[in-house]
Amino acid sequence: NAGVTQTPKFRVLKTGQSMTLLCAQDMNHEYMYWYRQDPGMGLRLIHYSVGEGTTAKGEVPDGYNVSRLKKQNFLLGLESAAPSQTSVYFCASSFQPDTGELFFGEGSRLTVL
Amino acid sequence: GENVEQHPSTLSVQEGDSAVIKCTYSDSASNYFPWYKQELGKRPQLIIDIRSNVGEKKDQRIAVTLNKTAKHFSLHITETQPEDSAVYFCAASTGGGNKLTFGTGTQLKVEL
Repeated sequence: NAGVTQTPKFRVLKTGQSMTLLCAQDMNHEYMYWYRQDPGMGLRLIHYSVGEGTTAKGEVPDGYNVSRLKKQNFLLGLESAAPSQTSVYFCASSFQPDTGELFFGEGSRLTVL
Repeated sequence: GENVEQHPSTLSVQEGDSAVIKCTYSDSASNYFPWYKQELGKRPQLIIDIRSNVGEKKDQRIAVTLNKTAKHFSLHITETQPEDSAVYFCAASTGGGNKLTFGTGTQLKVEL
C-alpha cells in the first residue's frame, strides 16, 4: 500500500517549457488535490477533483491545468513555465471532502530558470 | 473566502517545555480545524483535528482548543521533545464544497 506517490520528485525547467506532474493514489479516494508550498505562504490549493472526470479551480489556478481521467491519477500540467512557478508541489487525496484527513504525497520540487 | 492567520511564525522552546501555536479564522461558518506537522523534507501529516461541536481534544502530549466566539483555535504540545521539531500548519474549512484554507505555518524548534 504505497498511499500517494508523485513523479518526478525534482525537475528543472527553462522559462516557457512545459511539463506534467503525475500523482497516483491506491486508497480508492474520490477526492484529489494539488497544492503548492512556498516559504512563508503555507499550502495553497491550485486545483482539485471530486471524482473521476471532474476538476475544479482552487485558490491559485492560473498557469496550471489538470486532468483526472482515471480515479487513481491526478495530473498537473504547466503549459509555459514561469519563474514564479518555482515551488514545491504536493498532491493529496482524501476519503471525505473538505472535512477529512488529507493524505499527501512526498512532494515535487520544481525550479524554473 | 476563509482567511486563516497563524502565529508565531517561529517558536523555540527548551526540551520538556510546552509550546503553543495560535490560529484565527475569519469565516464563522468554519466547522473543521485540523493541524498538520511537516518534518524537514517530508510530507505534511495530520496530527490532530477538532470539529466545531467540541471545545477541546487531546491525544497524548498534544491538544487543540477551539473558541468559536473569538474565532480562534490553538495547538498545545506538552513535554516537548526534539522529534517535535517541525513546521506546524493549522487549517480551517466550512465544508459543503469549500476547501481547507491553511495558515502560513509555524517553525517549532525544540532545543536540548
